[in-house]
Amino acid sequence: NAGVTQTPKFQVLKTGQSMTLQCAQDMNHEYMSWYRQDPGMGLRLIHYSVGAGITDQGEVPNGYNVSRSTTEDFPLRLLSAAPSQTSVYFCASSLQAGAPGDTQYFGPGTRLTVL
Amino acid sequence: AQSVAQPEDQVNVAEGNPLTVKCTYSVSGNPYLFWYVQYPNRGLQFLLKYITGDNLVKGSYGFEAEFNKSQTSFHLKKPSALVSDSALYFCAVSAYNNNDMRFGAGTRLTVKP
Repeated sequence: NAGVTQTPKFQVLKTGQSMTLQCAQDMNHEYMSWYRQDPGMGLRLIHYSVGAGITDQGEVPNGYNVSRSTTEDFPLRLLSAAPSQTSVYFCASSLQAGAPGDTQYFGPGTRLTVL
Repeated sequence: AQSVAQPEDQVNVAEGNPLTVKCTYSVSGNPYLFWYVQYPNRGLQFLLKYITGDNLVKGSYGFEAEFNKSQTSFHLKKPSALVSDSALYFCAVSAYNNNDMRFGAGTRLTVKP
């Protein structure tokens, strides 16, 4: 199993540009999520999905869109990038949506810089 | 809403000495507590978790953590530190499931030879 994969590893955008961060998992996990990691703030949940066709907002959803057409893929879209979105983005997945204490498995991350 | 505090930004220990990385939490109801480790330019790796049962939880790479309900703490410990343990450590808590998980700001552990 490759686990959770993310592309690209690095990206530089100009303010106002759009892009999609890709995330895929091959573990047949129900639950997938996107976090951003900023210095001194830990990880904050952006959006999550409990299954194909079902998504919901996390703690910091503004400026981001998601969709989940398949169990495997969970892309994150920035429609109009802003410097405040400069961050490291992590995708994660866990086996059962809604299961208390279910372990999340993280991808390697995408480092995004918005100029 | 639940929250996590990692009171130390940085912890320095000598190789071979015991290490402790502190974590306190706030949650309504029973907590689900996690420790993750992040090596440079890598994603987070799961170390251990507390769901219920024995307060002492053993995890990967010789790490363990003790759940203390009265002190609302979940400190990470290892009896003998290795240089290779140097990394960024995150504590996390949820009250129900992953939808409401909150992470601490992280503690950078440096183990010196």
